[in-house]
Amino acid sequence: SQQGEEDPQALSIQEGENATMNCSYKTSINNLQWYRQNSGRGLVHLILIRSNEREKHSGRLRVTLDTSKKSSSLLITASRAADTASYFCATDPHDYKLSFGAGTTVTVRA
Amino acid sequence: GAVVSQHPSRVICKSGTSVKIECRSLDFQATTMFWYRQFPKKSLMLMATSNEGSKATYEQGVEKDKFLINHASLTLSTLTVTSAHPEDSSFYICSAVSGRGENIQYFGAGTRLSVL
Repeated sequence: SQQGEEDPQALSIQEGENATMNCSYKTSINNLQWYRQNSGRGLVHLILIRSNEREKHSGRLRVTLDTSKKSSSLLITASRAADTASYFCATDPHDYKLSFGAGTTVTVRA
Repeated sequence: GAVVSQHPSRVICKSGTSVKIECRSLDFQATTMFWYRQFPKKSLMLMATSNEGSKATYEQGVEKDKFLINHASLTLSTLTVTSAHPEDSSFYICSAVSGRGENIQYFGAGTRLSVL
């Protein structure tokens, strides 16, 4: 069942700007992951943050996790046209099945 | 590393025919594979969990006789859509986990099924 919910549903920004999207979930988790999907393609894993971590960085990506609020955010800094894609959060509730949110569609204008 | 190949990428078939989709982990052994269905501009809906050598576990509402899953080896799982109908038209994606370390799923590129 779908647990994560992303906000906003869609985001349009200028190249070079930062993009921030949020994810809320309902139950306790082992970890939370972010994936990216280009149109008509499969998903690519971006970053994983464990339940005992609060912030994690990977290149131009910054992820935060607030387990008390059951929410996470993904920040993409200095966006590029190639960052145009849909971004999904996925929660791992201890049973190896990931529950995906509805995604945020990001459009980066050149 | 961690490459998952899904084939075919696109298939168009007539109503009533069966379609087989293959999902292969190319450079690791996948203890578990997952099959998802994705509707336009929507999230992934988990259909079933496939473990090598055992029967697949289907999610509620997914017909196991309609969507046959076989996980014959640690690198191959197949999804067969039997007697396909137009309402089965969708984007089907598989993923695989290695079973070591974190539960990161590696996805195939997806299969666009169009049933006429």
